[in-house]
Amino acid sequence: DAGITQSPRYKITETGRQVTLMCHQTWSHSYMFWYRQDLGHGLRLIYYSAAADITDKGEVPDGYVVSRSKTENFPLTLESATRSQTSVYFCATWTGSFNYGYTFGSGTRLTVV
Amino acid sequence: TQLLEQSPQFLSIQEGENLTVYCNSSSVFSSLQWYRQEPGEGPVLLVTVVTGGEVKKLKRLTFQFGDARKDSSLHITAAQPGDTGLYLCAGFTSGGSNYKLTFGKGTLLTVNP
Repeated sequence: DAGITQSPRYKITETGRQVTLMCHQTWSHSYMFWYRQDLGHGLRLIYYSAAADITDKGEVPDGYVVSRSKTENFPLTLESATRSQTSVYFCATWTGSFNYGYTFGSGTRLTVV
Repeated sequence: TQLLEQSPQFLSIQEGENLTVYCNSSSVFSSLQWYRQEPGEGPVLLVTVVTGGEVKKLKRLTFQFGDARKDSSLHITAAQPGDTGLYLCAGFTSGGSNYKLTFGKGTLLTVNP
C-alpha cells in the first residue's frame, strides 16, 4: 500500500533497553521527520532528514539516534530508554514544496516502565 | 518560547453551533497549514494557505491567513460531532532554507450531539 507506515503501533519496554521505532514511506519524499507528542507540549521535533545520509537534530534530540541509509526508511532508536521517553511518536514525510504540508504516520505509542 | 499560540486550548460546543479557532505569532510565515488529529491517529492536513489575506473554504470550514502572514483563523459553521478532534496550526517561517514546520499546541474541539 502506498503511504507512510510506522511500526510497531504499541510498544512497552523496560528502562535501559534499546528500542527502535520504524518508519517507511513509499513515495520517495526527500524529507522525513520524527516528532514526539506529549500532553502540554504538543508536537516536538526530535530529528529530521533532508535526504538519504543527511540527518540533523531537532528540538529534543537527547537520548535518540537516527539513520537514513535508504530514502524510504527512517528508523528512530532510543539507545537506553527512560521513563521520560514514554510518549507517542510520529514520523512524517514532506515533498519539499511549501505549498504542501507534512504527511504523518499513525504513530507509535511507547511506554517505558 | 512558543512561536505559534493557539486559542482556545479547549472548546466544547453543541452540534449546530459556530466556532472560531485562532493561531497567532509574532513571526512571519511563508505558508501556514491546519491539521486535524483524531484519537490514535496522526495529524491530517486540512489546508495550506500561502498568500496574505487568503481565504480558503473546505465545506463548512473557512480558513483565513492574516494580511501580514503572522496569524490565521479557522471558522467552522454548524459544527457536527464528526468535527471533534485536535486542530493544529503549523507554519514554515519565512526566509532561508528553513523547511521545519513549527506547530502550535492545538485546540481540542468536542462537538456534543
